[in-house]
Amino acid sequence: GENVEQHPSTLSVQEGDSAVIKCTYSDSASNYFPWYKQELGKRPQLIIDIRSNVGEKKDQRIAVTLNKTAKHFSLHITETQPEDSAVYFCAASINTNAGKSTFGDGTTLTVKP
Amino acid sequence: DGGITQSPKYLFRKEGQNVTLSCEQNLNHDAMYWYRQDPGQGLRLIYYSQIVNDFQKGDIAEGYSVSREKKESFPLTVTSAQKNPTAFYLCASRTFMDGVNYGYTFGSGTRLTVV
Repeated sequence: GENVEQHPSTLSVQEGDSAVIKCTYSDSASNYFPWYKQELGKRPQLIIDIRSNVGEKKDQRIAVTLNKTAKHFSLHITETQPEDSAVYFCAASINTNAGKSTFGDGTTLTVKP
Repeated sequence: DGGITQSPKYLFRKEGQNVTLSCEQNLNHDAMYWYRQDPGQGLRLIYYSQIVNDFQKGDIAEGYSVSREKKESFPLTVTSAQKNPTAFYLCASRTFMDGVNYGYTFGSGTRLTVV
């Protein structure tokens, strides 16, 4: 089955700096890669996603890149703010009706004011 | 207001007891999922269902059971066979339209503790 590895497990940055979280996946059939943000005690929420026919996608301060050949994808957050502090999860799935996602172990991002 | 509702928010289970976690969605999503989250770990898949009256085991199904009698509902039972049930349980659903699947919508979770 699919295996997703996520690094780093913790990341601390100064407000205004950039943060990068990296994930690798094992199943070459995976073609949908969402990222979720989970604030303390709350539900995960989808913040951005990318499909295998696209190499990069951007939404304001958040961007995701995908390298299908190397089987890795990354989340980039620019101009970080304290409210970006949360746990971020990457996931990989195959674009089918079942579409079950395999998650990485999460990255705890702390943005220091 | 569309979404997924999980109940209860907190649940305490005694040794040897079965408990059922509720998950209801009004998003008209076909697929529903149950994940378990342990501290410092990612989400691990327990069971999932694509359509009514059909469901499949995930990676950690032992000690759990589910049913899918209605499209809107996907309850999870934690049986006495689950030896370490203390965790945060998340229910999710997703839509699949025009041959494309989309990200999950999650419920707010149930925190289960064995007492």
